[in-house]
Amino acid sequence: DAGVIQSPRHEVTEMGQEVTLRCKPISGHNSLFWYRQTMMRGLELLIYFNNNVPIDDSGMPEDRFSAKMPNASFSTLKIQPSEPRDSAVYFCASSSRDRGDIEKLFFGSGTQLSVL
Amino acid sequence: GENVEQHPSTLSVQEGDSAVIKCTYSDSASNYFPWYKQELGKRPQLIIDIRSNVGEKKDQRIAVTLNKTAKHFSLHITETQPEDSAVYFCAASKSSGGYQKVTFGTGTKLQVIP
Repeated sequence: DAGVIQSPRHEVTEMGQEVTLRCKPISGHNSLFWYRQTMMRGLELLIYFNNNVPIDDSGMPEDRFSAKMPNASFSTLKIQPSEPRDSAVYFCASSSRDRGDIEKLFFGSGTQLSVL
Repeated sequence: GENVEQHPSTLSVQEGDSAVIKCTYSDSASNYFPWYKQELGKRPQLIIDIRSNVGEKKDQRIAVTLNKTAKHFSLHITETQPEDSAVYFCAASKSSGGYQKVTFGTGTKLQVIP
């Protein structure tokens, strides 16, 4: 298995533009997470999907952020309009339940987003 | 919600020495504690984990201990090597709304000096 695949690896855009980040989870994993990593705030959970359904989006910072999971093998995180403070590394992670309710996360390589 | 504190934020050790990273958590309902290693510019990767019904777990040069009463857990790396240099994240996980909610610590940057 190729692991969790994210694209693009790097994204540079101008303030106000729309940004779409993409993720392909590990086949067979039924949970998907979007995290944002910054020096100041560390790893923050943005949203969690289980069986393609958004379960917890309490970490989504504001209405400019939206996420979808149209099927088990694809998810997107969209920022519209983007702002310089959105600059961060965005990680997607997938997991499957292990012996009950434990979820072991497998991270993608991340998308380094720079909003100028 | 859960709060995970991690110390120290940076740690430098000589090659061959041991390194210890400590974390505390606030929610006694947390029942799973993974540790992730993130090398520069790469993804976090799970290196070891421990469940709340176990006090210690070891895997070659790394070990994790858990004290449920005090709500703290630690990562121990023995005989450190330069390739151990990375940022290490602890996390606490508990069931919330039907899924395991994972809260990460702020990370420890470990530098192993050859």
